Amino acid sequence: AQSVAQPEDQVNVAEGNPLTVKCTYSVSGNPYLFWYVQYPNRGLQFLLKYITGDNLVKGSYGFEAEFNKSQTSFHLKKPSALVSDSALYFCAVRDMVAAGNKLTFGGGTRVLVKP
Amino acid sequence: DSGVTQTPKHLITATGQRVTLRCSPRSGDLSVYWYQQSLDQGLQFLIQYYNGEERAKGNILERFSAQQFPDLHSELNLSSLELGDSALYFCASSLTTTGGPGNTIYFGEGSWLTVV
Repeated sequence: AQSVAQPEDQVNVAEGNPLTVKCTYSVSGNPYLFWYVQYPNRGLQFLLKYITGDNLVKGSYGFEAEFNKSQTSFHLKKPSALVSDSALYFCAVRDMVAAGNKLTFGGGTRVLVKP
Repeated sequence: DSGVTQTPKHLITATGQRVTLRCSPRSGDLSVYWYQQSLDQGLQFLIQYYNGEERAKGNILERFSAQQFPDLHSELNLSSLELGDSALYFCASSLTTTGGPGNTIYFGEGSWLTVV
């Protein structure tokens, strides 16, 4: 089965410091990996995706993610966190085995950026 | 704004009742997905339609059903509601069913369902 895991329920970081949200994956075949963010009382917003190519993927709002095949990881990063980055972040993998190719999500990581 | 529209945004109903959640996908998207987000279960895939036909089923209860209409909008019907059905229900859409480049799945703002 295709799955992703987010080992941290919450990440706390001071504003201006680097932010990293961890994600590891388990897939058969090539991984299609995604990051989404959910702000309070809002829907899921797409941040970025890895399909193939460069291991460093750049996305919205200054976020980027590093794909590491040997470590089966796809960590989300931001060089300098903002208070407005406080939200719930989800890593997801596209299930390329099952019909419909749905997204399977990790449990989510709550990010709290303190001023 | 993702372009996926969901109504209603909030809904409060009693146990045993039936509700219908509506979703309009992004313009041009043929595939619609429904997800349930609850505190204890996280984000769970319910069902997917592609161009009017059911394509995949996930953890969807028999009391729940969905359909996609010829104009590509979709409805999720929840019946015999229980307290545990209280959750945020997301609709999402993509151009096709495949995970190829460009086929990002975009989510709506969700419909908050509270069963009392």
